Amino acid sequence: EIVLTQSPATLSLSPGERATLSCRASQSVSSYLAWFQQKPGQAPRLLIYDASNRATGIPARFSGSGSGTDFTLTISSLEPEDFAVYYCQQRGNWPRTFGQGTKVEVK
Amino acid sequence: EVQLLESGGGLVQPGGSLRLSCAASGFTFSSYAMTWVRQAPGKGLEWVSTINADGGSTFYADSVKGRFTISRDNSKNTLCLQMNSLRAEDTAVYYCAKYSSDWYDDYWGQGTLVTVSS
Repeated sequence: EIVLTQSPATLSLSPGERATLSCRASQSVSSYLAWFQQKPGQAPRLLIYDASNRATGIPARFSGSGSGTDFTLTISSLEPEDFAVYYCQQRGNWPRTFGQGTKVEVK
Repeated sequence: EVQLLESGGGLVQPGGSLRLSCAASGFTFSSYAMTWVRQAPGKGLEWVSTINADGGSTFYADSVKGRFTISRDNSKNTLCLQMNSLRAEDTAVYYCAKYSSDWYDDYWGQGTLVTVSS
């Protein structure tokens, strides 16, 4: 099973600041990595797929990069609605696995 | 508009069974793989099971293999998850999700809560 490790666990930032979230895989997943956003009481929302492609309707301030074992989600300038928990997920191998999540909170 | 509506959750005793359903609309259901993902209270996301578009291939997490069965009825646009021998650790919100053509979870339902407790 591929283990995804996200860091940091919590990121405390102010609106307008840049957020950089990391996801590291225990073995290569090529570019088969997605990022999801989840707000309290809501279902997750797909942000990025194949490491760097924005999903439909996702603002350009969200970007993804990386391949192999190291991936990054960047939010260029935080909007109030971006404070949430973010998960990475790999589809390179079964079983599908998620990272443990990074909470982006208001500083 | 893609819509996924889960139902069937509730309180069940350990060892019991429950059948979850997911009614899909707004897309050609028979063309896409579907999946179940769960989230225990206050915890992260856990993939449970996936079924391909025609129902011929299924995949399960080790934690549910042999106890849960995923199925679909393409004539009724419905995805199901039969859950047997339920344990306390199966307590979670269960989400159904549609896969994109690239096999990513691109649309999610709002979830249904399953509580396993005596």
